[in-house]
Amino acid sequence: DGGITQSPKYLFRKEGQNVTLSCEQNLNHDAMYWYRQDPGQGLRLIYYSQIVNDFQKGDIAEGYSVSREKKESFPLTVTSAQKNPTAFYLCASSSGGPYNEQFFGPGTRLTVL
Amino acid sequence: DQQVKQNSPSLSVQEGRISILNCDYTNSMFDYFLWYKKYPAEGPTFLISISSIKDKNEDGRFTVFLNKSAKHLSLHIVPSQPGDSAVYFCAASGHDMRFGAGTRLTVKP
Repeated sequence: DGGITQSPKYLFRKEGQNVTLSCEQNLNHDAMYWYRQDPGQGLRLIYYSQIVNDFQKGDIAEGYSVSREKKESFPLTVTSAQKNPTAFYLCASSSGGPYNEQFFGPGTRLTVL
Repeated sequence: DQQVKQNSPSLSVQEGRISILNCDYTNSMFDYFLWYKKYPAEGPTFLISISSIKDKNEDGRFTVFLNKSAKHLSLHIVPSQPGDSAVYFCAASGHDMRFGAGTRLTVKP
């Protein structure tokens, strides 16, 4: 089955630790995205990548880093510099361009203790 | 700066009645609009979209209306079913895609 997988579903980390969230897709999509969802807010774009080995900052990139070494994978690292890391993180992919719907993974809920 | 706004955080309707979810946007460069549906602890799934060259798009029980002059779009669900209970996100696309905060729809049996 084609789709997007995110792991783990729930993640707990101590304050000050870096943590990496996994996102894999087998849809052969060029573009991949990371969003953050907080209560009462829409999905806010953290980083996106239109092609392998290239990525751009979204609206709230501070305290996050990404890599895109393979078309299928777009991991997100939440660094200790992110002041409020506890949130629900969503990864998405699309065929690319602004007129194609994005397909979302199931999300990872990160809780920093 | 929220470019896409869903001013109603929640909506409750009776099964069989119409659900109307509203969305406003501020950026006139947006020219493609989408609605996503999200269940708890899951990622959003695409529901329906509309291009700015149209004012209506229908897919089964779901219809999206676009009023470009008012920068407003709405999603109509008729008839509403309990399984429609979810959070609905409006999204607008131009150079990039922006999402609203979502409206939680509850359909009561």
